[in-house]
Amino acid sequence: DTEVTQTPKHLVMGMTNKKSLKCEQHMGHRAMYWYKQKAKKPPELMFVYSYEKLSINESVPSRFSPECPNSSLLNLHLHALQPEDSALYLCASSQRAAQETQYFGPGTRLLVL
Amino acid sequence: KQEVTQIPAALSVPEGENLVLNCSFTDSAIYNLQWFRQDPGKGLTSLLLIQSSQREQTSGRLNASLDKSSGRSTLYIAASQPGDSATYLCAGTYSSASKIIFGSGTRLSIRP
Repeated sequence: DTEVTQTPKHLVMGMTNKKSLKCEQHMGHRAMYWYKQKAKKPPELMFVYSYEKLSINESVPSRFSPECPNSSLLNLHLHALQPEDSALYLCASSQRAAQETQYFGPGTRLLVL
Repeated sequence: KQEVTQIPAALSVPEGENLVLNCSFTDSAIYNLQWFRQDPGKGLTSLLLIQSSQREQTSGRLNASLDKSSGRSTLYIAASQPGDSATYLCAGTYSSASKIIFGSGTRLSIRP
């Protein structure tokens, strides 16, 4: 199984809503990542978890809150987002942090109204 | 400042041609370099990963090279097919702390 799954595929939320994005992998990878990708732009790294511990936070606003409940799951909790946060949110995993091939999920397309 | 650049931004070639995509990076202290493809509205598919100690990697019709001294990587696609049409992104990893920087991509179109 070389798949990273993400749910939901699409999400529309208001600026006062609280929602969560979910990412799951069963490849035994110990590094997981969240990226944000705006239209026609490359992905931008948001967070890195290594062995379930947050190892990188790329100065992401606190309205984005990551969580890694176990080695297979990665969540991104969203609260009080702004319209400019609308983007494709990609999750990825690798055997170890950054040293090996990253496998990406299909992404969650988020629209903030 | 660490930057990764890809030129051209878009490329269109007829089917069957061999082609080269370019990637350059400003900081030669690169840990590894990955090439990805992305279809519209989809996630990224890893194509090849080159560790800093390696010079090239091959997979099928794809060959990627890495020259740290010149700050360049190339992705060679042999005998291009319409199914190769996608955006190709290169990404450099700096330090084992996982700082990953993507280039802006080359949008490739293969004409039948």
